[in-house]
Amino acid sequence: GAVVSQHPSRVICKSGTSVKIECRSLDFQATTMFWYRQFPKQSLMLMATSNEGSKATYEQGVEKDKFLINHASLTLSTLTVTSAHPEDSSFYICSASGQHEKLFFGSGTQLSVL
Amino acid sequence: GENVEQHPSTLSVQEGDSAVIKCTYSDSASNYFPWYKQELGKGPQLIIDIRSNVGEKKDQRIAVTLNKTAKHFSLHITETQPEDSAVYFCAAPNFGNEKLTFGTGTRLTIIP
Repeated sequence: GAVVSQHPSRVICKSGTSVKIECRSLDFQATTMFWYRQFPKQSLMLMATSNEGSKATYEQGVEKDKFLINHASLTLSTLTVTSAHPEDSSFYICSASGQHEKLFFGSGTQLSVL
Repeated sequence: GENVEQHPSTLSVQEGDSAVIKCTYSDSASNYFPWYKQELGKGPQLIIDIRSNVGEKKDQRIAVTLNKTAKHFSLHITETQPEDSAVYFCAAPNFGNEKLTFGTGTRLTIIP
């Protein structure tokens, strides 16, 4: 099956710093990747759609200057949380579209901002 | 957009019994319905999916049924085992694009 690798799995940072999360499709090319945020005991909330070679499309209410997305190649998308604050603490998950509409997820990144 | 409702929110079953989780969707044009299993601290894992040209699909102890007329689909897990304990999410496409709308999740607990 298709494998999506996400790093780091856990990060703790100080308030005001920036954090970069990487999402890689290991055995397939993904022109489209998605970034989600998940609060404890809740469903996945789509933040943005990452398109290779073009600007990301953000969902309503998601600050594009806060959550920078770069999709520089067919196998790599990055999410940078800029000037992180405690309210940005959350579980962030990426996904990539494989063959036949199947969506495969990374293992998630638990971000804790002190 | 697509609206997906999932029930129940929590489900406890005795080991060896069956578990059923149900979802309804709103967009009659939707044609792909995946189910994901999420363990604590991990990303969701695709466990089974079904397309609208069939009414049922099985993979060992897991099956999914689809009723297009009623716009609902269900996940069936038979002979449940402790490792089946997790949160399960259903999903449906959002207006035929690659985005998926997820249900609110079902926390399944298998009682040994």
